[in-house]
Amino acid sequence: EVQLVETGGGLIQPGGSLRLSCAASGFTVSSKYMSWVRQAPGKGLEWVSVIYTDDSTYYADSVKGRFTISRDNSQSTLYLQMNSLRVEDTAVYYCGRGDGGSSAPRNWGQGTLVTVSS
Amino acid sequence: DIVMTQTPLSLSVTPGQPASISCKSSQSLLHSDGKTHLYWYLQKPGQPPQPLIYEVSNRFSGVPDRFSGSGSGTDFTLKISRVEAEDVGVYYCMQSIQLPLTFGGGTKVEIK
Repeated sequence: EVQLVETGGGLIQPGGSLRLSCAASGFTVSSKYMSWVRQAPGKGLEWVSVIYTDDSTYYADSVKGRFTISRDNSQSTLYLQMNSLRVEDTAVYYCGRGDGGSSAPRNWGQGTLVTVSS
Repeated sequence: DIVMTQTPLSLSVTPGQPASISCKSSQSLLHSDGKTHLYWYLQKPGQPPQPLIYEVSNRFSGVPDRFSGSGSGTDFTLKISRVEAEDVGVYYCMQSIQLPLTFGGGTKVEIK
């Protein structure tokens, strides 16, 4: 059974850094397109980043240059390193597993809340 | 970026009655691979999104057959033939033909 469990969220001051983790089970993270999607409180869904099976990475303009997606195949874990955090980065962050050669998330974790506030 | 526009913003439905949600994209979602990269998700209160439909009209495993998707090019529709209490939540369409992946603004479905 596919499972995704995000951790690493919390309260952080503007300008700070945080690393989110997404522990995967039931499949190998290197074999699927893996994404991060976020949802600000009371708002809709916003795609953040994706890492493809060939290790290429892509980012939303809103986080480009500040966030870095990566994975550790031996730990079967996806990461999102978030630097220079802004108040507007406050959101629940979900990791998602693509399927069938698509980056569209087929499986989602429960999410981890990141709050950027002074 | 491809803009996804959903209507209506909200829907109040009597159990057993049908419901329909529209999604329009600013560009065609038909890929050269012959597939149309349009997905539907349902986010129930307090939960992550769950996938309903892929490539316009294909239900994911376990999705009840009262859910159906249709459309082509830039115009798409999600229909629920007979709404049940468990169908409440926010429905999102999403395109995956190009990055960034973009979502519609969501349609909130509640039960009368």
